Amino acid sequence: QVQLQESGPGLVKPSETLSLTCTVSGGSISSYYWSWIRQPPGKGLEWIGFIYYSGSTDYNPSLKSRVTISLDTSKNQFSLKVSSVTAADTAVYYCASSPWGWYYFDYWGQGSLVTVSS
Amino acid sequence: ETVLTQSPGTLALSPGERATLSCRASQSVSSSYIAWYQQKPGQAPRLLIYGASSRATGVPDRFSGSGSGTDFSLTISRLEPEDFAVYYCQQYGNVPRTFGQGTKVEIK
Repeated sequence: QVQLQESGPGLVKPSETLSLTCTVSGGSISSYYWSWIRQPPGKGLEWIGFIYYSGSTDYNPSLKSRVTISLDTSKNQFSLKVSSVTAADTAVYYCASSPWGWYYFDYWGQGSLVTVSS
Repeated sequence: ETVLTQSPGTLALSPGERATLSCRASQSVSSSYIAWYQQKPGQAPRLLIYGASSRATGVPDRFSGSGSGTDFSLTISRLEPEDFAVYYCQQYGNVPRTFGQGTKVEIK
């Protein structure tokens, strides 16, 4: 069973770049699609983007200009960067997996709260 | 973008009762690519249903999904105490993938 664990700073200043890493265990990083999803406090879920084993990506158009997702197969990790953050980017950020060829989310990390504040 | 509207916003029921949650899409969702998730406070969402009606591994058979086109539903046949939570639908047939705003099932 795939297990995912997010890591990264819990506090980011406005206009800076948010960076998170997801470490994958219990499954091959080549066998799944990998995603980031976020949830502002008390609100619903927003898909941020996918990365595939090939390294190609697919982003939500609403965030595309500020988001980069990358993959490090040697470490079984994938990462998220969101640039020029504002308070509206404050959220719990989840990493998640999707079965190869599908776009629903079968395994999730526990989530990492990132607060944007000076 | 495909907007998913879930109703009702809150459903107040007693254990043992039947719960029916609705998810309506602003445009047809191809091949019934709808998933349902359960989220409890402080926890990550858990996949319940994919492909509109297929239960994920380990999901009790009191959970069932149905629907096609733009109208989908999740039914919990008999509510157990652990089923009181927020439920989200998600469509993955159209880009970008989107979620509904959630339905909270609370104890009456």
